[in-house]
Amino acid sequence: EAQVTQNPRYLITVTGKKLTVTCSQNMNHEYMSWYRQDPGLGLRQIYYSMNVEVTDKGDVPEGYKVSRKEKRNFPLILESPSPNQTSLYFCASSSRTSGNNEQFFGPGTRLTVL
Amino acid sequence: GDSVTQMEGPVTLSEEAFLTINCTYTATGYPSLFWYVQYPGEGLQLLLKATKADDKGSNKGFEATYRKETTSFHLEKGSVQVSDSAVYFCALRDSGYSTLTFGKGTMLLVSP
Repeated sequence: EAQVTQNPRYLITVTGKKLTVTCSQNMNHEYMSWYRQDPGLGLRQIYYSMNVEVTDKGDVPEGYKVSRKEKRNFPLILESPSPNQTSLYFCASSSRTSGNNEQFFGPGTRLTVL
Repeated sequence: GDSVTQMEGPVTLSEEAFLTINCTYTATGYPSLFWYVQYPGEGLQLLLKATKADDKGSNKGFEATYRKETTSFHLEKGSVQVSDSAVYFCALRDSGYSTLTFGKGTMLLVSP
């Protein structure tokens, strides 16, 4: 089954404790992206990757890091989480062979930083 | 830069009522337009899309027409069901890029 998976689905942590949210897709997509969803703000892009070893900042990259060492994986790293990073996070992927292809979203990771 | 503006919710309707959720956009190029739906506790799913002016996207009884002259992509459904209760996001992707720009979302609540 074609899908985007994220782990963990729920995470409660404390300020300053480094964490990683994993994202994996099995569709051989070149493009992957991270979004955060906050009430009243919709989805905002954090980082995206056009292909392996190619990443770029989205609209709200501060406090986050990403890496794209393999095509299928695109982890989101919070080196020193803060309470304002409490949010719902989504990973997404799409193919770049056609400019209008659908983006497939993961189920989301709800992060709480105390 | 690109932007998408959606009507604020929640939109509250009775079952079988007519639905319109307004969406307008600003883009520098010739964007593709999308509606995504998010059911409670789930990720986003593509509902429908249109890739050029005057295209009509449709799926599950929902429709939206790409209107370049009014820069709009309003979502409509003739008869909503309780199962349509969800958050709906309008989005655009400018030509040549894969990044989506989303509106803030509109919550739809349908009561029996």
